[in-house]
Amino acid sequence: SQQGEEDPQALSIQEGENATMNCSYKTSINNLQWYRQNSGRGLVHLILIRSNEREKHSGRLRVTLDTSKKSSSLLITASRAADTASYFCATVSINTGGFKTIFGAGTRLFVKA
Amino acid sequence: DGGITQSPKYLFRKEGQNVTLSCEQNLNHDAMYWYRQDPGQGLRLIYYSQIVNDFQKGDIAEGYSVSREKKESFPLTVTSAQKNPTAFYLCASSPAPGQRLNTEAFFGQGTRLTVV
Repeated sequence: SQQGEEDPQALSIQEGENATMNCSYKTSINNLQWYRQNSGRGLVHLILIRSNEREKHSGRLRVTLDTSKKSSSLLITASRAADTASYFCATVSINTGGFKTIFGAGTRLFVKA
Repeated sequence: DGGITQSPKYLFRKEGQNVTLSCEQNLNHDAMYWYRQDPGQGLRLIYYSQIVNDFQKGDIAEGYSVSREKKESFPLTVTSAQKNPTAFYLCASSPAPGQRLNTEAFFGQGTRLTVV
């Protein structure tokens, strides 16, 4: 299975509610990143959290990282219809060949107006 | 504007043909990547390059080839050996990992390849 696995696969909420997405991984990481993808477009970087950080905020986004559980969560507060997109976590790991970035399968978020 | 540009946006290929997808960046990034995305799935790494004139295979390199003759350009060729090439292809770049590992990748808008 992939290094980064998001949960749930799909999420449907009402505008104004909070959306929480989770990401689990298997090996040690240097950092973990969250990206957003609108349908048929490229990915846009949202936030990066280093392995020695536990929580990070950016606007309505809050990311947590628990290295003991090898998991991360992305919280979007007060969601808007414009937040409808797919969200991916990516783990960056160092190995003998250099570094490697692995993306999960994503969570599809649908925010109903 | 600084950024990463992929072309074309849509590409149709007949079976047995090779096609080349273009990726150009003016961000002065050393590292460039090609990913493949299938419907409802995450990104899978095809090839990546950390420096000019050097590149490495990713997880699904079979049936693909790349070149990195210039820092700005990292074209991907989908060969006839790729049995199921219909997918969305994404190119990305980032600063050299050895210098700035804790940084994000910048993505192009993608090329949707369809075999007809």
